[in-house]
Amino acid sequence: DAGVTQSPTHLIKTRGQQVTLRCSPKSGHDTVSWYQQALGQGPQFIFQYYEEEERQRGNFPDRFSGHQFPNYSSELNVNALLLGDSALYLCASSNLGRGNEQYFGPGTRLTVT
Amino acid sequence: DQQVKQNSPSLSVQEGRISILNCDYTNSMFDYFLWYKKYPAEGPTFLISISSIKDKNEDGRFTVFLNKSAKHLSLHIVPSQPGDSAVYFCAADASNTGNQFYFGTGTSLTVIP
Repeated sequence: DAGVTQSPTHLIKTRGQQVTLRCSPKSGHDTVSWYQQALGQGPQFIFQYYEEEERQRGNFPDRFSGHQFPNYSSELNVNALLLGDSALYLCASSNLGRGNEQYFGPGTRLTVT
Repeated sequence: DQQVKQNSPSLSVQEGRISILNCDYTNSMFDYFLWYKKYPAEGPTFLISISSIKDKNEDGRFTVFLNKSAKHLSLHIVPSQPGDSAVYFCAADASNTGNQFYFGTGTSLTVIP
């Protein structure tokens, strides 16, 4: 059983560009959450998708948007990239409901130059 | 606004001894707490959790203690093993947001053989 997978592994973009990151959840999971982990920090919640809808959102600007597909996979899009967007982007999958463990993927390392 | 804090960036412990990792939180709405372990180049993996209705949860070598009045939790690892060397993140979930995990900044544990 494959766990959470993310692509690409690494990405280098220039300021002002747009980027799309992809996530496939663990088999049987219906909910995908995205986190940003800056260097030396803990993961910070961006948003969560369930039934193809954004269910919860953290304190991130509208430049960050997402999508969930019928097969539960998800994309994170970031527009007008800033240097400060350089971070590890983590996807976590779970089943909806309190107390359900979130399984994390290995992350996508985004560098903005 | 860091609602979950891990004030010790690093900890070194001899193999076989106890490791104690600490975490403090500020939001009284947090009612579910988790510990995640992260190896380099991997996503965080779930270790152990505790609901606010309990003050202790044990799983093998790992025990989490929760002191609600002090808004403090700790993870005890006994006995510590070299394979436990990793970064440990404390995370919290609030009843009014649900599944939006707030992470601390992590503690890097090194277990010395």
